[in-house]
Amino acid sequence: DVKVTQSSRYLVKRTGEKVFLECVQDMDHENMFWYRQDPGLGLRLIYFSYDVKMKEKGDIPEGYSVSREKKERFSLILESASTNQTSMYLCASSLGLPFEVYGYTFGSGTRLTVV
Amino acid sequence: DQQVKQNSPSLSVQEGRISILNCDYTNSMFDYFLWYKKYPAEGPTFLISISSIKDKNEDGRFTVFLNKSAKHLSLHIVPSQPGDSAVYFCAASAQGAQKLVFGQGTRLTINP
Repeated sequence: DVKVTQSSRYLVKRTGEKVFLECVQDMDHENMFWYRQDPGLGLRLIYFSYDVKMKEKGDIPEGYSVSREKKERFSLILESASTNQTSMYLCASSLGLPFEVYGYTFGSGTRLTVV
Repeated sequence: DQQVKQNSPSLSVQEGRISILNCDYTNSMFDYFLWYKKYPAEGPTFLISISSIKDKNEDGRFTVFLNKSAKHLSLHIVPSQPGDSAVYFCAASAQGAQKLVFGQGTRLTINP
């Protein structure tokens, strides 16, 4: 089975800190995604990547950046953490289209609290 | 602009009865729809999907119905079991796009 591993389950950071969330997948998937989950808002796409060193903005990229230096690893960076970035962050990977064959596989999530 | 909407934040159903979760969408370019299930402290897992060329897809106790003219889909779970208690997300994809757009989620509680 494909495994998507997020390095931390829980994180507490201070306002203004630079925060790194790491995600690693072990099945040579081309596509990787970062979403955040908030009550009443569902899953919103922050950034995604189709290939190494390639990135695309999602729906809510402000305050975030990403890095994909190796195919298996996709990092989400909060340049200067703020309290409104307190959320559950979910990483996902996918081999590609069609979705009926290659859906998303999600990691277990990182619960980030910014104080 | 919420392109995929799940208007019921929560739903409570008796064990053994039918659970019906609803989802509406606004983008007519969406051609593939998926349902994901999420337990607390876990990532979402794929449940069932449907292509826009179909109006129904079944997998065991789970059936998804698609009404393209109404831009509406629903997930039916029959019979409902306590292990079905989770948050359910509806998701959609436009043709050729490699990303999914998710709804807000519906928390389903199955009561014994």
